[in-house]
Amino acid sequence: AQSVTQLDSHVSVSEGTPVLLRCNYSSSYSPSLFWYVQHPNKGLQLLLKYTSAATLVKGINGFEAEFKKSETSFHLTKPSAHMSDAAEYFCVVVTGFQKLVFGTGTRLLVSP
Amino acid sequence: NAGVTQTPKFRILKIGQSMTLQCTQDMNHNYMYWYRQDPGMGLKLIYYSVGAGITDKGEVPNGYNVSRSTTEDFPLRLELAAPSQTSVYFCASKTWGAGDQGDTQYFGPGTRLTVL
Repeated sequence: AQSVTQLDSHVSVSEGTPVLLRCNYSSSYSPSLFWYVQHPNKGLQLLLKYTSAATLVKGINGFEAEFKKSETSFHLTKPSAHMSDAAEYFCVVVTGFQKLVFGTGTRLLVSP
Repeated sequence: NAGVTQTPKFRILKIGQSMTLQCTQDMNHNYMYWYRQDPGMGLKLIYYSVGAGITDKGEVPNGYNVSRSTTEDFPLRLELAAPSQTSVYFCASKTWGAGDQGDTQYFGPGTRLTVL
């Protein structure tokens, strides 16, 4: 069965420094992988998605992620954090009938 | 387009009561989903539907029922509410097929439910 593991429950960075949120996946075939963001008391917004095209995927708000099959990873990065990036981030794998399986989430804290 | 709308936003239930969470989408999407999110956790799939009249169980269906009589609406029914059903419930929808539009699920704003 497909699954994702988010390796950090919390990540703290200073404004202007790089962001790295780590995600490993488990899948018996080439997966579709997403990153979603959830701001406090809000719904979920799609940041970016990998669907077996380019392995480096660019998303909204300056985020990008690289699909590495050899490492079964799909880490999310951003060169320079902004205060508005503080939120919960979910790595997600798509299973049959387009059902989403969510990781447990990484809370990103951004300090001034 | 309003997208995916959910009502109510908040609700407090007593143990044993029942209620229906409403979800409507105006994007003519075939697929619709119900998820629950417990504190500090990711979302878990309760039920899903691939079209009007077709529903199936997800990962955590116990204690819930759904119906899909129209393309637009996908209500979630809680019978005999229990404290373990305290959670935030999200409805989502997507269009049919693969490709750029077909991959993306659009989420509603959520319903925060407390069972006391």
